[in-house]
Amino acid sequence: QQQVKQSPQSLIVQKGGISIINCAYENTAFDYFPWYQQFPGKGPALLIAIRPDVSEKKEGRFTISFNKSAKQFSLHIMDSQPGDSATYFCAASPWGGTASKLTFGTGTRLQVTL
Amino acid sequence: NAGVTQTPKFRVLKTGQSMTLLCAQDMNHEYMYWYRQDPGMGLRLIHYSVGEGTTAKGEVPDGYNVSRLKKQNFLLGLESAAPSQTSVYFCATQGYNEQFFGPGTRLTVL
Repeated sequence: QQQVKQSPQSLIVQKGGISIINCAYENTAFDYFPWYQQFPGKGPALLIAIRPDVSEKKEGRFTISFNKSAKQFSLHIMDSQPGDSATYFCAASPWGGTASKLTFGTGTRLQVTL
Repeated sequence: NAGVTQTPKFRVLKTGQSMTLLCAQDMNHEYMYWYRQDPGMGLRLIHYSVGEGTTAKGEVPDGYNVSRLKKQNFLLGLESAAPSQTSVYFCATQGYNEQFFGPGTRLTVL
């Protein structure tokens, strides 16, 4: 059972444009929502994360928007750059510092063109 | 600090052969994970460990075994490899909530 649904599967954006990736979850116990970025041939790395006590978190050009009632969250990449071309995974888990296993979305391959 | 390392980086097996993938970490994390990554399917959890001497099944454990004899090492074994196990395998450790991934092992089973 896919508990975190991610869309779109792939995305092509022009340089300078806005990239938007969406995720939806089902498990109301989820309390921590990170986004991971993966470059070809590398392991995923944490990009930005949010907890539901805020509706938005911004770090540089990357913003997470969170809608608790809709059980949805999204990643916005402003002023997208060719160096942002990568695969992005959303994830979710309970918060707590124990072995809170992350449930990952299926990934979005982003290509930023010149 | 090396972080999370994986050995080997690439491997080709014939159906029925066995092998062990090694994950090593110097981050002193208790929790370690093995994932497989397949196109269009994201990261699927195979097995995980919450500490030395402990292991537990994840989402897709069949055909794999694991051991955590030392805190810093987490081994993934394939006893009799099958073509369906062709994949990229990632090990990860977990800090408070963040997971740190190794560089991956690309395994092909012919």
